[in-house]
Amino acid sequence: KAGVTQTPRYLIKTRGQQVTLSCSPISGHRSVSWYQQTPGQGLQFLFEYFSETQRNKGNFPGRFSGRQFSNSRSEMNVSTLELGDSALYLCASSFGQPQGTQYFGPGTRLLVL
Amino acid sequence: GENVEQHPSTLSVQEGDSAVIKCTYSDSASNYFPWYKQELGKRPQLIIDIRSNVGEKKDQRIAVTLNKTAKHFSLHITETQPEDSAVYFCAASRIKNTGFQKLVFGTGTRLLVSP
Repeated sequence: KAGVTQTPRYLIKTRGQQVTLSCSPISGHRSVSWYQQTPGQGLQFLFEYFSETQRNKGNFPGRFSGRQFSNSRSEMNVSTLELGDSALYLCASSFGQPQGTQYFGPGTRLLVL
Repeated sequence: GENVEQHPSTLSVQEGDSAVIKCTYSDSASNYFPWYKQELGKRPQLIIDIRSNVGEKKDQRIAVTLNKTAKHFSLHITETQPEDSAVYFCAASRIKNTGFQKLVFGTGTRLLVSP
């Protein structure tokens, strides 16, 4: 079974631009969560989608948004990029049932100049 | 808010020694505690997890213990090998009936195993 995939793997943007990241979950998984990983803040929860609905959101500004499609693929969008948005963005998928293990994708490394 | 503290931040051991990483969580309703291993430039990989109704779980050289009263859980690696070198993250989560689990991560422990 193929693992979680993310595209693109690397991205360079400038301040003020916007970016869209994509995540394809493991087949059969209906839950997709997004995390931001930085050296200073570690791994922080952004939001989680299940059956096209956002079920919970972390403490990030409204510039960070996401959506999920009927095939469970998810996208994350960051508008008006800031230098501090430079990070590794990881998505994780699970069945979404109680106690379902989360499996991480390889991440998208975003550099904002 | 929810918080997970992880110690130590770095740990250096000799091959064959044991390594112990400790975490403390703040949300007493947390009921799921996974551990992830992240090698340089790679994705976090689940290595073991434990539910709140279990006090200890083992998988070959890896074991996790949970003390719900003290809100502590620990990762134990025995007979360490150089390939165990990586950053290890603990996490805690309150799994709801809906299945949603927001993982709150510790700050990570960089483990270096010297031959």
